[in-house]
Amino acid sequence: EIVMTQSPAALSVSPGEGATLSCRASQSVSGNLAWYQQKPGQAPRLLIYGASTRATGIPARFSGSGSGTEFTLTISSLQSEDFAIYYCQQYNNWPPLTFGGGTKVEIK
Amino acid sequence: EVQLVESGGGLVQPGGSLRLSCAASGFTFSSYAMHWVRQAPGKGLEYVSAISSYGGSAYYADSVKGRFTISRDNSKNTLYLQMGSLSAEDTAVYYCARPSYCSGTSCTRFFDYWGQGTLVTVSS
Repeated sequence: EIVMTQSPAALSVSPGEGATLSCRASQSVSGNLAWYQQKPGQAPRLLIYGASTRATGIPARFSGSGSGTEFTLTISSLQSEDFAIYYCQQYNNWPPLTFGGGTKVEIK
Repeated sequence: EVQLVESGGGLVQPGGSLRLSCAASGFTFSSYAMHWVRQAPGKGLEYVSAISSYGGSAYYADSVKGRFTISRDNSKNTLYLQMGSLSAEDTAVYYCARPSYCSGTSCTRFFDYWGQGTLVTVSS
């Protein structure tokens, strides 16, 4: 099973600033990585797949990069609605699909 | 509009059973593999189970293997998760999730549609 490790666990950012979230895989997942956003009481929302492709309707301030074992989600200028928990998920090796532990982006 | 609506959650005693349902609409249900993902209170996402589009094959996480059974009724556009021998560790919100795209028997394994979740609480 591939283990996904996200860092940091929490990040305090002021609105308008940028944020960089990291996700590391225990072995290569090629470019088969997705990012989700989850707000309290809501289901996860797909942001990025294929490591760098934005899902339908996702604003351009969200961007993903990386391949192999190291991935990054960048939010260029945080809006109030972006404060949430972000999860990465690998889908290169299935079963099982595996998720990272999440990064909570908080208002500074 | 694609919709996934889970139901069937609730309070159950340790060792008990429960059946979750996920009613799908707005897409050709029989063309999609379907998945269950759970989230314990205050915790991250855990992949639980999957079933192929016609129900011929299934996958279970080790944590639920032998206790949970996934099934589907394509005539009713409904996904099920039969849960048994429940313990406190199974307490979670259970989400059904749909892959973003399927072509024939091959589906993507990231999810663009999720239900709202149904809470299962295992406690005496």
